[in-house]
Amino acid sequence: GQNIDQPTEMTATEGAIVQINCTYQTSGFNGLFWYQQHAGEAPTFLSYNVLDGLEEKGRFSSFLSRSKGYSYLLLKELQMKDSASYLCAALDSNYQLIWGAGTKLIIKP
Amino acid sequence: GAVVSQHPSRVICKSGTSVKIECRSLDFQATTMFWYRQFPKQSLMLMATSNEGSKATYEQGVEKDKFLINHASLTLSTLTVTSAHPEDSSFYICSARAQTSGDLYEQYFGPGTRLTVT
Repeated sequence: GQNIDQPTEMTATEGAIVQINCTYQTSGFNGLFWYQQHAGEAPTFLSYNVLDGLEEKGRFSSFLSRSKGYSYLLLKELQMKDSASYLCAALDSNYQLIWGAGTKLIIKP
Repeated sequence: GAVVSQHPSRVICKSGTSVKIECRSLDFQATTMFWYRQFPKQSLMLMATSNEGSKATYEQGVEKDKFLINHASLTLSTLTVTSAHPEDSSFYICSARAQTSGDLYEQYFGPGTRLTVT
């Protein structure tokens, strides 16, 4: 079956760094997405990785290892507004997004 | 960037009535639109995939006669919840996939519609 695993909840301190991990098992693989979702709002796109390695975009970076079925989202210099759920989603062989349950990130002052 | 709108943003209806939700891609053509449902503290659940001009493909467990999807143009898809019941109360989100090859795999999300059935 197809499966995405990510931690349910994480807590971090303002100004610190946090890494949110995601492992996936899909029928075929055409890339991995990370989305941010604030409570009561729709998801917004953060990153897309299809090749192994690290993609950096400002304070946010995303890493992919296809051989390990593993990705992480790294958030630096955390701000209170980064408190949100972070959704990992893998694109399978049919170009269908398989969604993780999301990781709720709580930022403390 | 690509913008997707949804209307209405919130709707309250009585049990047994029908509600229509519109999803529009404002500045791009969307060959494929997706409808999701999200219950509190849960992840997105894909309900159906609709391609312009053809019938929607529903996920297992989603009643196609209850959730009517129409994708009549490259910029508009509608979801009608027929004979709504309180258990249909949820956050409904649409997303659209752009037609251009450069954006082939990214989905752009609408702001969502909060449906409350009383």
